[in-house]
Amino acid sequence: QQQVKQSPQSLIVQKGGISIINCAYENTAFDYFPWYQQFPGKGPALLIAIRPDVSEKKEGRFTISFNKSAKQFSLHIMDSQPGDSATYFCAATTIQGAQKLVFGQGTRLTINP
Amino acid sequence: DADVTQTPRNRITKTGKRIMLECSQTKGHDRMYWYRQDPGLGLRLIYYSFDVKDINKGEISDGYSVSRQAQAKFSLSLESAIPNQTALYFCATRGDSYTGELFFGEGSRLTVL
Repeated sequence: QQQVKQSPQSLIVQKGGISIINCAYENTAFDYFPWYQQFPGKGPALLIAIRPDVSEKKEGRFTISFNKSAKQFSLHIMDSQPGDSATYFCAATTIQGAQKLVFGQGTRLTINP
Repeated sequence: DADVTQTPRNRITKTGKRIMLECSQTKGHDRMYWYRQDPGLGLRLIYYSFDVKDINKGEISDGYSVSRQAQAKFSLSLESAIPNQTALYFCATRGDSYTGELFFGEGSRLTVL
């Protein structure tokens, strides 16, 4: 049972455009929602994260939008660059306890020059 | 040197063979995790450990076992490998930080023929 559903599976965006990746979760106990970025041949690395007490978090060109009532959150990449081409994973967990991250299926993002 | 090191990086083996994937870390973290990555399925948790005496099953532990030899070392074993265990395996660590950030190794690609 996939507790975090991610879409789309793949995405192609032109340089300078906006990339949007969406995730939906089921467990209302989740209170920490990170996004990880993975380049080929490398392990995932934390990109940005949000807690449910805010609706948006921005770090540079990367923004997480969070909708608690809909149990959805999304990653927006503004002014997308070829160097942003990577696989992106959303995830969710509870800060307390075992802190087991549940990952989405992943989105392979390609930014065309 | 990488903070989280996995060996081997690539391994091809035959059905029925015993395989061990090793992970060592220099981050001084107590929490260590083994994940499996498959296309379209994201990252799924196999086992996790909070210290040498604390080993816990994740969502897909069947067919796998682990050993926490020391704070810095966490090994994953496949006692009798089967083709559907062909995947990319990641070790990760987590410190005590409030953010719960996971630090991943570069992965071990396993092919079972």
